[in-house]
Amino acid sequence: DGGITQSPKYLFRKEGQNVTLSCEQNLNHDAMYWYRQDPGQGLRLIYYSQIVNDFQKGDIAEGYSVSREKKESFPLTVTSAQKNPTAFYLCASSKQGYEQYFGPGTRLTVT
Amino acid sequence: AQSVAQPEDQVNVAEGNPLTVKCTYSVSGNPYLFWYVQYPNRGLQFLLKYITGDNLVKGSYGFEAEFNKSQTSFHLKKPSALVSDSALYFCAVRDAPRHGGYNKLIFGAGTRLAVHP
Repeated sequence: DGGITQSPKYLFRKEGQNVTLSCEQNLNHDAMYWYRQDPGQGLRLIYYSQIVNDFQKGDIAEGYSVSREKKESFPLTVTSAQKNPTAFYLCASSKQGYEQYFGPGTRLTVT
Repeated sequence: AQSVAQPEDQVNVAEGNPLTVKCTYSVSGNPYLFWYVQYPNRGLQFLLKYITGDNLVKGSYGFEAEFNKSQTSFHLKKPSALVSDSALYFCAVRDAPRHGGYNKLIFGAGTRLAVHP
C-alpha cells in the first residue's frame, strides 16, 4: 500500500449523516484520486485532483465532495445526498502520467 | 472512447500450472496499460505497466504481460501459479488526454483468479 494511508479502516454511520474519509500520502505525488468499489464491480472514479486547490469530478461525483488544501491530503466527504453510500472507498496517488498507488481502503457502512 | 474489457469473471487454475488473465483494450493513440492485483479488503497493488518498448513486460511476483497491438490485448501471465496468487486482478488503460493534459485510468471490471492446490 506504499506511503498512502486511509482512515478509518471501517466506518459506520446512520443514514442522513455526512461522513469524511481521510487520505494522506507522503510520496510527494501531485495527483490524487478517490474511487468507489462495490461488490463484483470494478473501480469507479469519484473525484481527482492534479494539484493543490484544484479538483475535478469523476464519473460518479454526485453526493460527494472533496478538498485539496495540502499536497499530502485529499479528504472525501460522503454527504447525505449520496443515495447508496455503503461501499469500499479507495484513495490513490500518482505522479502525472504514471501508475497510481493505492491506500488500504475504507469500508463505509450506512444504516 | 477509451475502454478496457476483462472477458472472464473468474479463472481457475491448478497450482503449478501456467495462468493467463485476459484483457483487451480500445484506445485512440498509443496505449498506456496497467495490471493491478487486489487481495480481500485491501487496496490495489501495482503489478506492471506497458508504455512503450518490448511487448513482453515483466512485473512483480513473477507476473508478466504480453502487449499485442494487432489483437489490442494485454494478457497477464505467470508460468507457474501459486495458491497465494488467488486474488482479484484489474487491467487498466490510461484515458485520452483531456484539457490540461491530465490522464486518468479506466479500469476493467476485474477477474477473480482462483488457484487450487
